[in-house]
Amino acid sequence: GAVVSQHPSRVICKSGTSVKIECRSLDFQATTMFWYRQFPKQSLMLMATSNEGSKATYEQGVEKDKFLINHASLTLSTLTVTSAHPEDSSFYICSAGQGKGNQPQHFGDGTRLSIL
Amino acid sequence: GQNIDQPTEMTATEGAIVQINCTYQTSGFNGLFWYQQHAGEAPTFLSYNVLDGLEEKGRFSSFLSRSKGYSYLLLKELQMKDSASYLCAVKDSNYQLIWGAGTKLIIKP
Repeated sequence: GAVVSQHPSRVICKSGTSVKIECRSLDFQATTMFWYRQFPKQSLMLMATSNEGSKATYEQGVEKDKFLINHASLTLSTLTVTSAHPEDSSFYICSAGQGKGNQPQHFGDGTRLSIL
Repeated sequence: GQNIDQPTEMTATEGAIVQINCTYQTSGFNGLFWYQQHAGEAPTFLSYNVLDGLEEKGRFSSFLSRSKGYSYLLLKELQMKDSASYLCAVKDSNYQLIWGAGTKLIIKP
C-alpha cells in the first residue's frame, strides 16, 4: 500500500529556532499533501494544503509566514516552523493521497515538536 | 456549514462487539473514511465506503447510508489493542477531507 514517510519523528529545541519537517510519498506521486497539527487529547486540525508547484493553501488562523510550506516535487513537501516558540509545541502530521477520487489519505508517522 | 458528529468516548469489554456511529452534513459526498489513531501516533487507514451498504474487513466492518448521512464502524471480538481513537472523515464535493473529532474507545478486560 501507499507509504508516506515523515522526518524527523521528534525534535526538541530552544525557543527562536526554525525547524524543518519533511514529508515524502515513497511509492506514489502526490500532487497534494496535507499538514495537520494535533494538541494533546484534541482532534486533528488541518493547517494547510500543499500543492506541488504552487503556493500552499492555508486554513483560517494559520500564519503562512510562521509555517512555511514548500512542495517542490511530486514526492516531497516540507513544513518549516519559523522562530518556534513554546506554544508551537505540538504533534505535526503530514498526509498524502493518490489523486482525488475515493482514495484514502495516508499519514506519515508524525513529528513531535517540543520547544523549550 | 459542514459537520461530522461522533461520540466523544465509548467503553466496551474485551471480546465483545462495539458500534461507533458517525453522522455527517457536508457539501457533497465523495466517500467516507474511518481511521484508527493510537495515543501519540499518527492515524492509520481502516476503511472507506462510497456506496450504501456494509464493507467487511476481518474484525472490522463499516456501514454507510448516504440518504441518512450516517455511517458506523463495527468492531468484533474486541482486543485490548483496539483501545484507540476512531476518526470518521468525509470527502466533500471539492474532495477535501472533513474530519470528525474522533471517538475514544476504551476496552476493559
